[in-house]
Amino acid sequence: SQQGEEDPQALSIQEGENATMNCSYKTSINNLQWYRQNSGRGLVHLILIRSNEREKHSGRLRVTLDTSKKSSSLLITASRAADTASYFCAMNRDDKIIFGKGTRLHILP
Amino acid sequence: DAGITQSPRHKVTETGTPVTLRCHQTENHRYMYWYRQDPGHGLRLIHYSYGVKDTDKGEVSDGYSVSRSKTEDFLLTLESATSSQTSVYFCAISDRAGMAPQHFGDGTRLSIL
Repeated sequence: SQQGEEDPQALSIQEGENATMNCSYKTSINNLQWYRQNSGRGLVHLILIRSNEREKHSGRLRVTLDTSKKSSSLLITASRAADTASYFCAMNRDDKIIFGKGTRLHILP
Repeated sequence: DAGITQSPRHKVTETGTPVTLRCHQTENHRYMYWYRQDPGHGLRLIHYSYGVKDTDKGEVSDGYSVSRSKTEDFLLTLESATSSQTSVYFCAISDRAGMAPQHFGDGTRLSIL
């Protein structure tokens, strides 16, 4: 399976701190995407990074991609209570998107 | 938010009964997907559609069938539900295969007793 693996599985940090989540995968990919899922809701797309890109930013989000190591990281800066959610990476290969198992992020007040 | 509606949102049924979940979109997107989400497994693709009456299997398609007779509707059917199919089911849509972000519905929580 080319399913991604997020690391850590769960993360608790104080509000205002930065949160970093990692995603590793096994086979070559076209693109990698990050999603957020709030409890009881569907996934919300956050950012897409193409295989020929190394870094992308979107607001407080920074994503990096290292194709040689088959890994990606998602950094959320200056975390807020509203960032509490599960975060998933998803790899695009051909016409399909395969999801990792997710990181549960809890922002402490 | 993208216009995706899943119905029902919750369902409890018994083993052996047929179950149909509906996904309705108002975005006129070509691609539609059904995923299941289980603890420890993340999201796994069941079936997807790349056009009206054009569907294909995903990684966990056994025990499931789908139909797409209209662009806006994608149905997932469990012909004879089993307890292993207890899960949360998500529909997703995209206007481009692979490259484009997908939009998700809010899920159907299905319990098979």
